[in-house]
Amino acid sequence: SQKIEQNSEALNIQEGKTATLTCNYTNYSPAYLQWYRQDPGRGPVFLLLIRENEKEKRKERLKVTFDTTLKQSLFHITASQPADSATYLCALASDYKLSFGAGTTVTVRA
Amino acid sequence: GAVVSQHPSRVICKSGTSVKIECRSLDFQATTMFWYRQFPKQSLMLMATSNEGSKATYEQGVEKDKFLINHASLTLSTLTVTSAHPEDSSFYICSARRPTSGGDETQYFGPGTRLLVL
Repeated sequence: SQKIEQNSEALNIQEGKTATLTCNYTNYSPAYLQWYRQDPGRGPVFLLLIRENEKEKRKERLKVTFDTTLKQSLFHITASQPADSATYLCALASDYKLSFGAGTTVTVRA
Repeated sequence: GAVVSQHPSRVICKSGTSVKIECRSLDFQATTMFWYRQFPKQSLMLMATSNEGSKATYEQGVEKDKFLINHASLTLSTLTVTSAHPEDSSFYICSARRPTSGGDETQYFGPGTRLLVL
């Protein structure tokens, strides 16, 4: 069966450190993978898209890697700030539909 | 960035009544919109794909007669929960598909509608 797993339900880190989130998937062949941020009671906000033929993509303090052999994506938040505290969702795209992981809630302590 | 709005943001209704939720893409035309449902601490689950000018495509296990979808224009899709029951209480989120500058497409989400059925 198809499965998307995000490493942990919650991640607590100190301000200034790097948060690393993992997204593993099985029985998918996604054309691309996306990461979203979701705040409580709000809809997801698009952050980054990485295609199957791309290894790495960056946007400001965010970095995403995509390894189709390992079937894994890593999402890094460098120089983290309390404002980065939120739930981060990975989503796999297939036939224009998105399938979401359950998310990892990141809390950045000042 | 692309903006998608939803209305209402929160609704409380009595069991047996129907509730309509609107989803609008404010600054782009969306031939395809999606409706999701999210229960607390769970992932977003796709309910249906809404195509402008044609019938919606429902995911397995989603009752099309209970969750009526209308996509009458390129900027508006509506979801009507008919004869709502307490188990329909959830967070309903829509999204609209839009091409990115790189030629891919991504989805931009609305802020969600919290439905509580008493």
